[in-house]
Amino acid sequence: QVQLQQWGAGLLKPSETLSLSCAVYGGSFSGYYWSWIRQPPGKGLEWIAEINHRGSTNYNPSLESRVTISVDTSKNQFSLNLTSVTAADTAVYYCARAQWVVSAPPFDYWGQGTLVTVSS
Amino acid sequence: DLQMTQSPSAMSASVGDRVTITCRASQGIDNYLAWFQQKPGKVPKRLIYAASSLQSGVPSRFSGSGSGTEFTLTISSLQPEDFATYYCLQHHSYPRTFGQGTKVEIK
Repeated sequence: QVQLQQWGAGLLKPSETLSLSCAVYGGSFSGYYWSWIRQPPGKGLEWIAEINHRGSTNYNPSLESRVTISVDTSKNQFSLNLTSVTAADTAVYYCARAQWVVSAPPFDYWGQGTLVTVSS
Repeated sequence: DLQMTQSPSAMSASVGDRVTITCRASQGIDNYLAWFQQKPGKVPKRLIYAASSLQSGVPSRFSGSGSGTEFTLTISSLQPEDFATYYCLQHHSYPRTFGQGTKVEIK
C-alpha cells in the first residue's frame, strides 16, 4: 500500500520561504511523477509542480518563478520550496502521486495535507 | 492554459436524487479527465478517470461521461455520504488544471 507522509512549517511570515517535504512508503518511487497541490481555505485545488526520480520537473507557470521542487531518491522523498510568501499563499498543501506521462490519470495517492498560514 | 469550468458551483439535493455535474474544457482534451470528491477537512479522492472509468472501490452509482470539451459526473441516487465538493481535473496537458468545484449540499 502506497502512503505519502508530509511535513513542514505551518506558520510563516510574509517574505519567508515555505518548505515542505513528502516521503513515499510502499510501491515504487521511480516510474512516477510526485506532485504538490494546494488549496486556499474555502477555495479550490491548484496544481503547483511535480518531479520524477530523475529530477525532471514540470511547473505551473503561475508559480514557477517562486517554486523549487527537489527529490532525494535515497530516502524516497521530495520537497517543495516556495519563496517570498504572502498571505495569498496561505493554503493546505498536499503531495500526491502522478503517472509518468501527463495523459495518464494522476493523483491516486495523496499525503495528509499541511496547513501553511502566512501572517505577520 | 486549459481552463476547466464546472457548473453549477453549488447545488442542493435530496437523498435519492439523481445529480449531474458538468465540466467544460476551454479546448479539446479527448477523454483525459478525472473527477475527485472532497469532504470537509479531508483529502480529495479520485472517483473517475479517463472520463468514464470508475476507480476501484467507488460505488457504481457514480458514473462519468463525455469527450472533447464537455463532461459530466452523474450520481444516480444521492446518498448521505455523497454530500461533498466535486472537482474535475484535466490530465491532457501541462499545467494540470482543476475545475473550481461543485458543492453538493443537503436540501
